Amino acid sequence: GENVEQHPSTLSVQEGDSAVIKCTYSDSASNYFPWYKQELGKRPQLIIDIRSNVGEKKDQRIAVTLNKTAKHFSLHITETQPEDSAVYFCAASSGYGQNFVFGPGTRLSVLP
Amino acid sequence: GAVVSQHPSWVICKSGTSVKIECRSLDFQATTMFWYRQFPKQSLMLMATSNEGSKATYEQGVEKDKFLINHASLTLSTLTVTSAHPEDSSFYICSATGGNGNQPQHFGDGTRLSIL
Repeated sequence: GENVEQHPSTLSVQEGDSAVIKCTYSDSASNYFPWYKQELGKRPQLIIDIRSNVGEKKDQRIAVTLNKTAKHFSLHITETQPEDSAVYFCAASSGYGQNFVFGPGTRLSVLP
Repeated sequence: GAVVSQHPSWVICKSGTSVKIECRSLDFQATTMFWYRQFPKQSLMLMATSNEGSKATYEQGVEKDKFLINHASLTLSTLTVTSAHPEDSSFYICSATGGNGNQPQHFGDGTRLSIL
């Protein structure tokens, strides 16, 4: 089955700096890769996603890149703000509405 | 946007009690619902996938007789934790999707279960 790894497990950055979180997956059949932000005790919230036919996607301060050959994808957050502090999960799936395999998560702390 | 309601949000009960958690899609027909479990400071782990009108498919290591899942309608799925024990204490989250796998998943708010 699919296995998703995520690094780093914790990340601290100064406000205004960039943050990068990397994930790798094992199943070449996976073709949908969402990123979720989760605050303590709350539901995961989709922040950006990418399909395997696209190499990069950007939404304001957030971008995701995908290297399907190497089976890795990354989340980039620019101009970080304290409210970006949360746990971020990457996931891989064989389809838009199929079950997700989540990475172990990255705790991001943005220091003021 | 699509809304998934999960109830209750928090439950505390004694060991040996059975607890039912409901997951409802409020404004769309959920042909498939997923149940995840999240232990403190860990990731979400898929427990089972349920399709409306069919038996749930459980992930390896998840006891189907302990975690009963019913998806009797296109808007409601329930997870019953039978004879709950302290090790079952966790955050349980459902997600729902419509269509034939071509619709995004929408997550519920989660249920924090604490077994004393």
